[in-house]
Amino acid sequence: AQTVTQSQPEMSVQEAETVTLSCTYDTSESDYYLFWYKQPPSRQMILVIRQEAYKQQNATENRFSVNFQKAAKSFSLKISDSQLGDAAMYFCAAGGTSYGKLTFGQGTILTVHP
Amino acid sequence: GAVVSQHPSWVICKSGTSVKIECRSLDFQATTMFWYRQFPKQSLMLMATSNEGSKATYEQGVEKDKFLINHASLTLSTLTVTSAHPEDSSFYICSARDQSRPPYGYEQYFGPGTRLTVT
Repeated sequence: AQTVTQSQPEMSVQEAETVTLSCTYDTSESDYYLFWYKQPPSRQMILVIRQEAYKQQNATENRFSVNFQKAAKSFSLKISDSQLGDAAMYFCAAGGTSYGKLTFGQGTILTVHP
Repeated sequence: GAVVSQHPSWVICKSGTSVKIECRSLDFQATTMFWYRQFPKQSLMLMATSNEGSKATYEQGVEKDKFLINHASLTLSTLTVTSAHPEDSSFYICSARDQSRPPYGYEQYFGPGTRLTVT
């Protein structure tokens, strides 16, 4: 079984600034992945970044990076140089070997102010 | 790569009728697809796991007789909402696993969603 918790229902950031979205998880899987998905107003789910749990190195994708603390079961997303197009709902998700299911957090609505 | 389509993107139906939503993997074969339901500003709620050639596995609390899922081919899964009622109005999203490429099925690729309105 897996649980994913996002404790920040809403966050806001000024354009060009940096923001960090929090996520904690719990899982009984020994082999799993963690994901951050972005859902803009179009509601299309877009993969932002993924992290293999067995890798100690934090994943990065351009302006997006994660802080993966496996022992603490924490997986935060840092968005640098925020852009207006980053405004969306962000979901943290965990996926294990159990039929490939993903467990999603509650989501964080990110607002970017010009 | 890893594109998933859904059809229709938006549908309005009358109460008591049935509506079918299609989910297709366009450039890969998907032995497993998933169906989610999402209410405004809420998270995705997994309804069922669709496996090619076998019965779907429904999550607890999801009425299997109301939400019929068929996964007849490696690229197509359908969700039929039977005898729809206004409370079934929601945003339905499908996703698919591609076990042929990294990360070999751990990641899901999402369709654009279908907005269902039952009047």
